[in-house]
Amino acid sequence: GNSVTQMEGPVTLSEEAFLTINCTYTATGYPSLFWYVQYPGEGLQLLLKATKADDKGSNKGFEATYRKETTSFHLEKGSVQVSDSAVYFCALSRFSGGYNKLIFGAGTRLAVHP
Amino acid sequence: DAGVTQSPTHLIKTRGQHVTLRCSPISGHKSVSWYQQVLGQGPQFIFQYYEKEERGRGNFPDRFSARQFPNYSSELNVNALLLGDSALYLCASSLEGTVVSNEQFFGPGTRLTVL
Repeated sequence: GNSVTQMEGPVTLSEEAFLTINCTYTATGYPSLFWYVQYPGEGLQLLLKATKADDKGSNKGFEATYRKETTSFHLEKGSVQVSDSAVYFCALSRFSGGYNKLIFGAGTRLAVHP
Repeated sequence: DAGVTQSPTHLIKTRGQHVTLRCSPISGHKSVSWYQQVLGQGPQFIFQYYEKEERGRGNFPDRFSARQFPNYSSELNVNALLLGDSALYLCASSLEGTVVSNEQFFGPGTRLTVL
């Protein structure tokens, strides 16, 4: 079946540290891949996406590359800020039966300290 | 432009009761999806509606039902509430539900607590 696996959190970093959150997926066909972010008490916001192999999604200093050979979509940021503290969800979009749905990983909590 | 709106923000119910959650999509969006997010987990797909028709359903019991209105707003209904139904219910809208890469925009969610 289709699934997404993320590294377990929490991830605790100091401000300006380098961030990597690992994400791997299992899917038939060619899904689109997404990273969503959830700040405390809020819904999900799309952070970035990639729709085909070797695409790189980027936004607000975050980047992720769609690697079909390793079925991965790792999230990276060169220098995190306290305001990046949130829960990050990796997801794939699977089209089947005439509709598409998002399949999410369990989420990775990031805590950035000054 | 207004984003996806959901009401109510919070809700407390007791076991066995019924609940109705509401969602208004972004103007121009014709597809609405519902997700359940249990504390500490990722969202799980419940339903997708497109042009007022159910297009897809996740692995949820028949106690869960939904509908979409002519103005594309949607309701999620849950009957015979169980303690395990306590969760954040998220609504997402998209232009259409038939494109793999179509971005879904999420609302702030409704926090349901079942006592």
